[in-house]
Parts: sequence; C-alpha cells; structure tokens
Amino acid sequence: DTAVSQTPKYLVTQMGNDKSIKCEQNLGHDTMYWYKQDSKKFLKIMFSYNNKELIINETVPNRFSPKSPDKAHLNLHINSLELGDSAVYFCASSQRILSRGRPSSYNEQFFGPGTRLTVL
Amino acid sequence: LAKTTQPISMDSYEGQEVNITCSHNNIATNDYITWYQQFPSQGPRFIIQGYKTKVTNEVASLFIPADRKSSTLSLPRVSLSDTAVYYCLVVGGNTDKLIFGTGTRLQVFP
Repeated sequence: DTAVSQTPKYLVTQMGNDKSIKCEQNLGHDTMYWYKQDSKKFLKIMFSYNNKELIINETVPNRFSPKSPDKAHLNLHINSLELGDSAVYFCASSQRILSRGRPSSYNEQFFGPGTRLTVL
Repeated sequence: LAKTTQPISMDSYEGQEVNITCSHNNIATNDYITWYQQFPSQGPRFIIQGYKTKVTNEVASLFIPADRKSSTLSLPRVSLSDTAVYYCLVVGGNTDKLIFGTGTRLQVFP
C-alpha cells in the first residue's frame, strides 16, 4: 500500500547513456513533482505536473524530460547522462487546493523513497 | 518566496525538548510556514504547517509570533529516532513550489 513509489531504487550507469526513472502514486493526487538532492544534500525542485500538464519547469538541462501519461504517473527520462547528474532523485505528489482559482499554500507533499543515480 | 534561515545543526539528548527556530523576515501576507523532516536515505516528510500563533499535532508544535518573521518548531521529549534533518519552508499562496534550504541536522544522543 505504498503511497508514492519509485523504480529503480538504485541506478548505476555510464556517462552518455539514456535512462528513465518511474514514479507512481496511489493517493489520488492531481499534482506530481520531481526533485533532485545533490551530494551536499540540497533539495531542489525540477518539474511539476498537474493533471498531466506541466506547471513548474525549473532551470534544468533539456536532457531531462518528464512525462506524465496519467495523473498517477510521472516519469523522468534523462538523455546523455553526465557525471554531474549523479544525485538522489525524489518524486512527490500532492492534491492541489485552489482558492479563487490559485493554488493554496496548504498542499502537503508526499515524497517517494528516492532513486540514487550514479553516473560513472 | 521568502528565504529562510535556520541553524545548521543541533544536538540533544533523549527525553529533552528541542526547539528549532527559523527566521523568514520577508514572509508575505499569504505565505504559510511549513516544516519537513528527512531521515537518511528517505524522502522528506511533512511535519506541521501554520500561519500564525500556535499549531500542535501529534508530532510537534509550531509557534509563530505576531509579526510572523520567525517560527519555532518544538519537538517534545525527543528520542533517538528523531535524529534527522528538519527543513523550515515558506510556502507561497500562488505556487506549488517547495524551496528547501540547508535544514537543521538534529542529532539525538542516548
């Protein structure tokens, strides 16, 4: 009955390869996110989708491409992997609460267990 | 979104009350204060959120003074399992973004 799940948990690959990380949530939420946590433990948002629509797209290399086939899934595809891509990637989900047509602050996010990506 | 400042680390002993203070001088009228907890090798977990005065749940209390420029997370009677990084965030009313700072690394000793 895992709320937010990610696969794989560990990913070791060579520079230049293309890889994907999958995320699924069974909470019925309409918004999903990808975060990156680097070796210094800084956690930064990368993307967010609401009902399959991209709503947050931070300054991320275009080698990173999120895909949301439905509300419950948000996958992250990374092309031409580089050493600097090594990090832990977290998926999260929340239910957007709108107040007067704008998102409310009260949007607790549920995080997955993370995917540790190591690029050699 | 307002930047937050909190201590890099704190030490405590089991059974003590721990108070972690966060400053957010530029908090906007519609912003909320939110705290997340992260254990090693896990994703962050929501602890508590508040707008003003005091909020309490089964895990912690959050104290916010009238000017809202700071907040204090209070963990009663900590145990070893409370060893984690605690993040203070200001959440804006117009965006879903969570902007994480460096957090406070709490180490609880027996």
